[in-house]
Order: sequence, then C-alpha cells, then structure tokens
Amino acid sequence: GDSVTQMEGPVTLSEEAFLTINCTYTATGYPSLFWYVQYPGEGLQLLLKATKADDKGSNKGFEATYRKETTSFHLEKGSVQVSDSAVYFCALSGGNTPLVFGKGTRLSVIA
Amino acid sequence: DSGVTQTPKHLITATGQRVTLRCSPRSGDLSVYWYQQSLDQGLQFLIQYYNGEERAKGNILERFSAQQFPDLHSELNLSSLELGDSALYFCASSVHEVGLPEAFFGQGTRLTVV
Repeated sequence: GDSVTQMEGPVTLSEEAFLTINCTYTATGYPSLFWYVQYPGEGLQLLLKATKADDKGSNKGFEATYRKETTSFHLEKGSVQVSDSAVYFCALSGGNTPLVFGKGTRLSVIA
Repeated sequence: DSGVTQTPKHLITATGQRVTLRCSPRSGDLSVYWYQQSLDQGLQFLIQYYNGEERAKGNILERFSAQQFPDLHSELNLSSLELGDSALYFCASSVHEVGLPEAFFGQGTRLTVV
C-alpha cells in the first residue's frame, strides 16, 4: 500500500539556519503530496501541497518540490525561526484514499 | 482556528471502560476522518464518513466504532479500553469525498487509559 517515509528527528537548529526535512513516498499512480505542521498542543495544519510532478508548494517561507523521478517531497526553509519549532508531517493522498502520513519530524529551533 | 471542534479535550478513564469522542466538522464539510496519534505508531487513519455513510476504513479495531449523524457531526466510540489505547484522537473534515482531501484538523482529544 501507499506509504511515506520521513527523516527521524528530533532536528535541532539555531535560528536563521537552513532547514531540510526529507520525505520519500511509495504510491501507485500519481498521488498528491502535503506537508502538515503541528504546533505544541494543537491539531495539524496544512502547510503546503503539490498535486503533480514538478509542482512546488510554498507557504510561510517553506517550500517543497514534487519530484516524481526520486519519489520525494523534501521540505526546505532558508532561515528558520524559533516560532517554527513544531512537528512536521509529510503526507500523501492517492485520490481515492484518505491521507497517509509519515511518522513526523520534531524540529526545535534555538535562539 | 480550523473550524473543526472536538470534545472533550482530555479524557481519563479506566481499562475496560467505554468512551465517546465527538467531532463537529467545518461548516459545509461532508467528510469526517478519524485518526489516532500515538508515539510509536504515528498518525494512523481509522475511518472516514461522507454525508452519513462509511466511506473508507483503516486500521480501526473491532472494539472501536464510529458514526456520522444527519447534522454531520461524528462520534467515535471506544470500548473495552486497554492501556494501549491511550493516544491523541484527531478528527478532520473535508468538503471532498474523494480526490484531493485537504483535510482540516481539530485540536484532538487526549485519551488516557489508566
């Protein structure tokens, strides 16, 4: 079945550092890909999405590109802030199926 | 605020008991999804309802059941609770039945079984 694998955390960065969180997927067909963020004590929020190959999703300085050839959707941000500390989930949907999530990567940004 | 409301926020109960978790979707959303989030399993899809009908089933135990009512709110019933059922239970809603489920999540119900 469909699955998502993302890098294990926790990831600890200093403020203004560059962030990459790796995500690869296995799916039949052409899934849509998502990044969700979960701030402490809150539910998941959609951060960005991409629906087809080579699409780039972006939001709040984060971006990710749908790479069909490497089945990847890595999350990047050029300069992280303390307020970016959260758990990040990569997810996919095959169209007829609900979201399938990775296990999440906890990011801690220190001042 | 996602517009999805879950109650209660916290629940502590004993093994063997039964609890009901409630979810009110965003206005206009017909799909409701239930997910379980635990430390070791991550986010696991349990079940989806669309406009009152069961649409998809995931890793939901037989001790668990759900339903969606005519006003579109949904309840997740957990019975014969075990320590391992302790987790965060999220509800999400979406306007879509299939296609691109950009689900909006509630804040979750933290269930602790003692």
